[in-house]
Amino acid sequence: QVQLVQSGAEVKKPGSSVKVSCKASGGTFNNNAICWVRQAPGQGLEWMGRIVPILGIANYTQRWKGRVTIVADKSTTTTYMELSSLRSEDTAMYYCATDPAGGMGTLDNWGQGTLVTVSS
Amino acid sequence: DIQMTQSPSSLSASLGDSVTITCRASQSISIYLNWYQQKPGKAPTLLIYAASNLESGVPSRFSGSGSGTDFTLTISSLQPEDFATYYCQQSFSTPLYTFGQGTKLEIK
Repeated sequence: QVQLVQSGAEVKKPGSSVKVSCKASGGTFNNNAICWVRQAPGQGLEWMGRIVPILGIANYTQRWKGRVTIVADKSTTTTYMELSSLRSEDTAMYYCATDPAGGMGTLDNWGQGTLVTVSS
Repeated sequence: DIQMTQSPSSLSASLGDSVTITCRASQSISIYLNWYQQKPGKAPTLLIYAASNLESGVPSRFSGSGSGTDFTLTISSLQPEDFATYYCQQSFSTPLYTFGQGTKLEIK
């Protein structure tokens, strides 16, 4: 069973960038895609993007293209999500989740979440 | 982009009740529909995949149905631990997924 452990909470200034990590352990990293989902305070889940580590190919919804970059380091089984040009509305919990290869696009394992606070 | 619309957005029910949450897709998604439960301060957990398949370890009082554009999540005989927020998610448009806006289930 893959376990995902995310990096700790961050406080950032508007206009800066944040890089959140998600380390996969206990399973086969390369068989899964890793998705990133965000949740603003009191709001719903918002899918941001997805990477297939073995291929190094990332996909993003149109809303996030140009501001989000997702990369994977196969040697450390760690995925990174970087969000640039931060604004106060980006204050949210950011989750990574596994999307098993050959599955039905289910997010079956989730990280604990990383709270990013954007404040001047 | 495929839009997912859940209804209702909130729901009050009593212990032992049966409730149904609906999720509608803006276009046909076959059975590429998953349901998640989220409790306050916690990450979501997968309940049902491919519209009607119960994830391992999920109680049988949870059930899902539907195909095409209309889907339902039913919880029978509500237990205290079922009061949470529920989300549907389409995975038809791989690799771009979308969630419904969520349904908050509260105790009456």
